[in-house]
Amino acid sequence: ETGVTQSPTHLIKTRGQQVTLRCSSQSGHNTVSWYQQALGQGPQFIFQYYREEENGRGNFPPRFSGLQFPYYSSELNVNALELDDSALYLCASSWDRDGPQHFGDGTRLSIL
Amino acid sequence: GESVGLHLPTLSVQEGDNSIINCAYSNSASDYFIWYKQESGKGPQFIIDIRSNMDKRQGQRVTVLLNKTVKHLSLQIAATQPGDSAVYFCAENSPTSYDKVIFGPGTSLSVIP
Repeated sequence: ETGVTQSPTHLIKTRGQQVTLRCSSQSGHNTVSWYQQALGQGPQFIFQYYREEENGRGNFPPRFSGLQFPYYSSELNVNALELDDSALYLCASSWDRDGPQHFGDGTRLSIL
Repeated sequence: GESVGLHLPTLSVQEGDNSIINCAYSNSASDYFIWYKQESGKGPQFIIDIRSNMDKRQGQRVTVLLNKTVKHLSLQIAATQPGDSAVYFCAENSPTSYDKVIFGPGTSLSVIP
């Protein structure tokens, strides 16, 4: 059973650029969620996808968007990057919309 | 607003002692609660969960207690070991909330050998 993997592990961008982060969910998991974790804080829910449909969205602007693809892959896109977008971005998958989540180790995004 | 909070941001315990990490939640509609452990440079790792129709659940060396009357959650770690040193987060699943999953700010547990 493979775990959740995220790529890249680190990324440096400049303000105004766009970024795509990728996640490979655990096999058999129908749900994927994305979180933003600022240094020293708990993860903040960005959105959740269940069977390739958005199933909930946190308080993030529309420039944060996502997709879930067949065969357990997903991506998070962020447009018009701002300095405050610097954070660890975590992907988590689960069997269903309500259940324990399995997290990847995240992508550390730094905005200059 | 809805929030999950921890009473103690840091906790130091002697190796072999029991640890208790507390968490308060404010959304009475939350029906599922999870504790996660996050080590430096890693993603959160599931420890134990509990649904709102239960008061207590035990795992290997860990116990979660849920008090719905005062909206309080706690994680007890028995015989704490150096490998337990990490940041611990409680999280609530809130099906009626805009935020499906709400994490608390975390408690840093340090185990003194």
